Amino acid sequence: QVQPVQSGAEVKKPGSSVKVSCQASGDSFTDSFNDFSISWVRQAPGQGLEWMGRIIPIVGRVQYADDFRGRVTFTADMSTSTVYLEVSGLRSADTAVYYCARGGGSNGYYFDSWGQGTLVTVSS
Amino acid sequence: SYVLTQPPSVSVAPGKTATITCGGDKIGSTSVHWYQQKPGQAPVLVIYFDTDRPSGIPERLSGSKSGNTATLTISRVEAGDEADYYCQVWDMISDYRVFGGGTKLTVL
Repeated sequence: QVQPVQSGAEVKKPGSSVKVSCQASGDSFTDSFNDFSISWVRQAPGQGLEWMGRIIPIVGRVQYADDFRGRVTFTADMSTSTVYLEVSGLRSADTAVYYCARGGGSNGYYFDSWGQGTLVTVSS
Repeated sequence: SYVLTQPPSVSVAPGKTATITCGGDKIGSTSVHWYQQKPGQAPVLVIYFDTDRPSGIPERLSGSKSGNTATLTISRVEAGDEADYYCQVWDMISDYRVFGGGTKLTVL
């Protein structure tokens, strides 16, 4: 199954920033990628899934969940069908796997295709 | 904020039926979606819009909803079904997507 491809694992110091990418792969998937909402989901070690928010590249709309607003930024490069997650002011609690997921349904109600995940480790 | 409640764990013998519930006070007015996540892997959509199955998902997995509880049923459970299962809804008030806490399915 075609799925987005995410950037590799990162190890960061507390207080620094990290930028994770999520790129469409496969011709048909790439052609439509910018039309879909792409959400970011965090999963801390041994914990459940947390929705961080989403971006709709074609209309430039960005939505952040309350718990993440202010420290995360979603951006998109439509020319390469790539979306980005940037987290600033990293702390140990941000150690997690970050997934991008394509929204399904007319309003991205569910997530029908997930990236493989990017492990971000925050450690001094 | 919207809260979805799942049992932390469910155990079932091979060949039997597993039921995983997802409760929320507004589930009756929205659609529920389900994901399977095996260790070290990304989640996979297994049920969307309460009862629909994506292509490639076995008919043994089915979804239902009654009142404010949604249920994922796995018939004729196999060892390969052992995974974490998450329910998820769209909260129409906040426009957020919300996940349940997840249920670990153990095949005995």
